[in-house]
Amino acid sequence: ELKVEQNPLFLSMQEGKNYTIYCNYSTTSDRLYWYRQDPGKSLESLFVLLSNGAVKQEGRLMASLDTKARLSTLHITAAVHDLSATYFCAVEGYNAGNNRKLIWGLGTSLAVNP
Amino acid sequence: EPEVTQTPSHQVTQMGQEVILRCVPISNHLYFYWYRQILGQKVEFLVSFYNNEISEKSEIFDDQFSVERPDGSNFTLKIRSTKLEDSAMYFCASSEYGVTGELFFGEGSRLTVL
Repeated sequence: ELKVEQNPLFLSMQEGKNYTIYCNYSTTSDRLYWYRQDPGKSLESLFVLLSNGAVKQEGRLMASLDTKARLSTLHITAAVHDLSATYFCAVEGYNAGNNRKLIWGLGTSLAVNP
Repeated sequence: EPEVTQTPSHQVTQMGQEVILRCVPISNHLYFYWYRQILGQKVEFLVSFYNNEISEKSEIFDDQFSVERPDGSNFTLKIRSTKLEDSAMYFCASSEYGVTGELFFGEGSRLTVL
């Protein structure tokens, strides 16, 4: 059964600092997603990582995927307050009928302080 | 930009009552999903739907739950007899299989069971 673990679950950091959020998963998968969620809001897609070695960057966020290590990272560069949110990774799994579902991590609650 | 829309945004109901949550997926998408998120917890898969039938459901999706695509645009989640523990945010998502694999989420319907 596919399991997804994120760490840390809570992260408080100062503006201007760098940090990395980690997402480990337990079985083979070729697709991994990062989503952002603001309090009481929906899930905003940040990155879709489709292959080993994939690296995507958007602004101060950069995501990478190592399928051999079953690890994805979300790196935050020079954090700003607007990045405060909860970040989820989700890994794609398939059932016996080849139907897709996402298995989600618990989320990392990020607070960027002045 | 096309989006997934959900109604109602918030519903308050008494325990034991039936609730129907509605979703309009993106028009050219073929796969539809319901997820839920209990306040402050992770996102949980409920059910996936393709070609007018359920393709997979989780253990959460018991006999009290049902999904339907009553016409060409709407996708509904019905809870027959709500329980206190059904209080959560329910997210509808859709995807166009075989393209990016990305799920597009609606804004969510917050269900409060009293």
